[in-house]
Amino acid sequence: DVKVTQSSRYLVKRTGEKVFLECVQDMDHENMFWYRQDPGLGLRLIYFSYDVKMKEKGDIPEGYSVSREKKERFSLILESASTNQTSMYLCASSSSSQETQYFGPGTRLLVL
Amino acid sequence: GQNIDQPTEMTATEGAIVQINCTYQTSGFNGLFWYQQHAGEAPTFLSYNVLDGLEEKGRFSSFLSRSKGYSYLLLKELQMKDSASYLCAVRPLNSGYALNFGKGTSLLVTP
Repeated sequence: DVKVTQSSRYLVKRTGEKVFLECVQDMDHENMFWYRQDPGLGLRLIYFSYDVKMKEKGDIPEGYSVSREKKERFSLILESASTNQTSMYLCASSSSSQETQYFGPGTRLLVL
Repeated sequence: GQNIDQPTEMTATEGAIVQINCTYQTSGFNGLFWYQQHAGEAPTFLSYNVLDGLEEKGRFSSFLSRSKGYSYLLLKELQMKDSASYLCAVRPLNSGYALNFGKGTSLLVTP
């Protein structure tokens, strides 16, 4: 069974704080993704990575950065959190030989 | 880019059949996915179509017509636990392995 884990289910931060969201997968997948999900807007891609130290911007990268130092771990960084970054953040991974993306349980972030 | 359209909400009765439609416009296409997402949970994979036609998997089937930019998810013998959001996603050509998701269809199954 593929397992994608995220460091926190719920997180509360203050405006201006630096926030790290961690994602780990245990299936040796090459590809990893960060999405945010907001009511009425669906899932939107922030960043993705298809190899260690590689990253690609998604549809809404502004205000975010990512890090992929090891194959199994993909971190999303909010350099200076703002209230409009309050959202559900979902990490996913996939293998290059199989199309399916597997999702983690999500982190619900509240920025006050 | 691509636009992915699906109905916002649908309601159906337990035991019935429901069809959730998805239309997309894309400059290049490399597969279409359906995911199920229960409230407060992560999306889980249901089906993948890359060629035209129907893919059947138990009570769930998914259909694709590439020429029409159209897909549907068919759920048979509906159960209460099928109440969830159903997400249509397209993998565009040259996107790497990234997906573009529709906004999802919230399905309510009633007794």
